[in-house]
This record gives sequence, C-alpha cells and structure tokens, in this order.
Amino acid sequence: AQTVTQSQPEMSVQEAETVTLSCTYDTSESDYYLFWYKQPPSRQMILVIRQEAYKQQNATENRFSVNFQKAAKSFSLKISDSQLGDAAMYFCAYRSTLLTDSWGKLQFGAGTQVVVTP
Amino acid sequence: DGGITQSPKYLFRKEGQNVTLSCEQNLNHDAMYWYRQDPGQGLRLIYYSQIVNDFQKGDIAEGYSVSREKKESFPLTVTSAQKNPTAFYLCASSIERSSYEQYFGPGTRLTVT
Repeated sequence: AQTVTQSQPEMSVQEAETVTLSCTYDTSESDYYLFWYKQPPSRQMILVIRQEAYKQQNATENRFSVNFQKAAKSFSLKISDSQLGDAAMYFCAYRSTLLTDSWGKLQFGAGTQVVVTP
Repeated sequence: DGGITQSPKYLFRKEGQNVTLSCEQNLNHDAMYWYRQDPGQGLRLIYYSQIVNDFQKGDIAEGYSVSREKKESFPLTVTSAQKNPTAFYLCASSIERSSYEQYFGPGTRLTVT
C-alpha cells in the first residue's frame, strides 16, 4: 500500500515571502498522480495543483509550484509571494493509475498547517 | 450552481444511535466518495461508488454503511458499531473513477456523546 508522509506539522511564513512544504511517498508503481490540496478554516478542500508522474516538467499554478523528484519519491510545494489567504492546512495526496480495486482512491498525508504573518 | 452539498454542517448524536449523513451532487458525476478526517491526520477513505447501485469498501469501512440508489445521492450511515464516530466527514465526487480530480463538499462535523 502506498503511504504519504508530510513531516512538517506547521510552517510559518511572512507575507510576500516564500514557503516550501515537503511531501514524500512510498510506492512501487511507475505511473500515478500527485496532488496538493488546501483546506482553509472553512474546511472546504480545494485542489491547488496536480502532477502526473510520467511528466518530467514540474507543474505550476500561478504562485504555486512543485518540485517533483520521482527517483527520490519527493513532491514539495512552493508558495511564492505568500498572502494572508494562503493560510490553511495543506495536504499532499497520491492516486494510483493501476486498474485495481483502489483505483481512484486518494491517499493523503497528515497535512501541514501554513501560518501567514503580516 | 453545480456542486456538492452535505447536510447538516454540524450533527450531534447520543452513543448507540445510528445517524445518516447526507451527500448530494448536481455535477452529473458517476463516482462518489466518503472520507473521514480526524485531527492530525489526513483524510481516510470510508466507502466509494463508481456507479449507481454499486459501492466498495475503503480503508476504514467498519461501522459504516452506504447506499447509491440515485446518481446524485450517496448517503453515509454511521452505525452504533463504529467505535469512535466523532469526526469530520467529507463527501467527494469525480466525473468517473478514472478522473484525476475529486470535488469535495463542505463536510459534516459529527459529535457523538
């Protein structure tokens, strides 16, 4: 079974600065998807960014970018020019592409709380 | 507006009672999911359904039951057999099982005392 590990329970960043969240995962599969979800105080889960494992190019979405290191099984999220609205819990998630019973299931890490200070 | 609704937002029950959490979507999605979230943990999959009248157990299905009689609805029943039912419950859906993106509802906070 795949596992997703987020080793940083909390990260603090000043407005306009950059913060990087770490995520590692364990899998024997070669093709899969990785995601970062944001959960603000409203607790609504919002997809921030996704990465397909077969793509070497790192995904970017505006101020959010990832550093995908497939061999190291690492998938970090960088938030640039941090804003107060970025304050939230961030979850890393893994999804297999294999045709097994768990196909479509998201495997989540424990989350990293991002605190943004003015 | 299309989306996923979960009701109620907060739910309180006495120990030993079954309780049903509602999840409705008007996105015309085939696949639907139920997740449980506990403090300090990520989301864990309880049940999922690919199509109407079909559903499979996730990682923590014990003490829960579901039905999928309509495409739009995927209610979750928390039974008295669930040892620690107090948690935040999130429903999600995707266009189909192969879709990479899951859309989440606002969640229901269940407290059992």
